[in-house]
Amino acid sequence: QKEVEQDPGPLSVPEGAIVSLNCTYSNSAFQYFMWYRQYSRKGPELLMYTYSSGNKEDGRFTAQVDKSSKYISLFIRDSQPSDSATYLCAMSAIDSSNTGKLIFGQGTTLQVKP
Amino acid sequence: EPEVTQTPSHQVTQMGQEVILRCVPISNHLYFYWYRQILGQKVEFLVSFYNNEISEKSEIFDDQFSVERPDGSNFTLKIRSTKLEDSAMYFCASTGPQFNQPQHFGDGTRLSIL
Repeated sequence: QKEVEQDPGPLSVPEGAIVSLNCTYSNSAFQYFMWYRQYSRKGPELLMYTYSSGNKEDGRFTAQVDKSSKYISLFIRDSQPSDSATYLCAMSAIDSSNTGKLIFGQGTTLQVKP
Repeated sequence: EPEVTQTPSHQVTQMGQEVILRCVPISNHLYFYWYRQILGQKVEFLVSFYNNEISEKSEIFDDQFSVERPDGSNFTLKIRSTKLEDSAMYFCASTGPQFNQPQHFGDGTRLSIL
């Protein structure tokens, strides 16, 4: 079983739609959860960071964490063509190493059509 | 806003040659990382570096790889004898002052081995 699973898509939605992106994980030691956005030939850009179960909102973006189900989500409201990118979930564990290394999902490619 | 910068943006090298990839992390960060992304695959952790030493490395990070922080600003990744399979995007990331804060990434170096 992969540590972090993410549907690669592609996901195509019309402008203005609500987008739901998801990741599941198997390692219960994961305590910190991030969503990054990656445009073609660019580095991952941090969108959301959370370490507790529940919801965190920032503008059009909402990150949701359910540690009991080992499931995280990113919701994008009122999606725009400029949101077209690859969305990466990433997580890190509290363990003996405590280095903060990130384990990434495969990334979901999103296209928002005007 | 402070950012992580990487040079060069693209490096083309003959197989067997040595390459050095350079990164300037965000100035007050204390934890530094290298990740790799082979085309079409997920971002993979290579190595973490803290307090002038490697704190964790992955199985990918074999004896051909080394990292260094030669001065107060640069963080380098050296591949001693490159192989075709080293062709990938290499991303530098940094965080701080705690390891469990979100990591910020550079735009990467695209390494092409011929």
